[in-house]
Amino acid sequence: GENVEQHPSTLSVQEGDSAVIKCTYSDSASNYFPWYKQELGKRPQLIIDIRSNVGEKKDQRIAVTLNKTAKHFSLHITETQPEDSAVYFCAAIYSGYSTLTFGKGTMLLVSP
Amino acid sequence: EAEVAQSPRYKITEKSQAVAFWCDPISGHATLYWYRQILGQGPELLVQFQDESVVDDSQLPKDRFSAERLKGVDSTLKIQPAELGDSAMYLCASSLVGGVSPLHFGNGTRLTVT
Repeated sequence: GENVEQHPSTLSVQEGDSAVIKCTYSDSASNYFPWYKQELGKRPQLIIDIRSNVGEKKDQRIAVTLNKTAKHFSLHITETQPEDSAVYFCAAIYSGYSTLTFGKGTMLLVSP
Repeated sequence: EAEVAQSPRYKITEKSQAVAFWCDPISGHATLYWYRQILGQGPELLVQFQDESVVDDSQLPKDRFSAERLKGVDSTLKIQPAELGDSAMYLCASSLVGGVSPLHFGNGTRLTVT
């Protein structure tokens, strides 16, 4: 089955800095890669996703890049704000009725 | 915006007791998932339903856990008997068609087994 590794486990930045979280996956057939944000005590929420036919996707301050050859994808947050503080999870799936495999999460702390 | 409903929000039970969680997915979502999330880790799938059928329950400890989605809408996850190691957040999620359609999570049930 799929295995997703996520780094770093914790990340501390100053407000306004950029943050990058990286994930690697094992199954070369995986073709959908979502990112979820989970604030303390709340549900995980989808913030951005990318499919394997695209190398990069942006949504305001958030971007995701995908390198299929190296089997890794990254989340980039620019101009970080204190409200970006949360745990971020990457995930990967092979299309069809298979199941998302999540990374272990990155706790991002943005200090004012 | 439609949400996945879960209850109860918190549950404290003694070990060896039975406990049940309920989930109502977003209307029209055919695929329903139960995940377990241990503090500091990512969600781990317990069971996946497509309509009323189980698609994947390979990680469900079937000696003590059971799940059903009898009419293909809401679902119940049961643990009997509960063990100390079952303490975790139990998250329900739904998606429109499964596979690569986005997951929508409920607020979860925080289970504490004493």
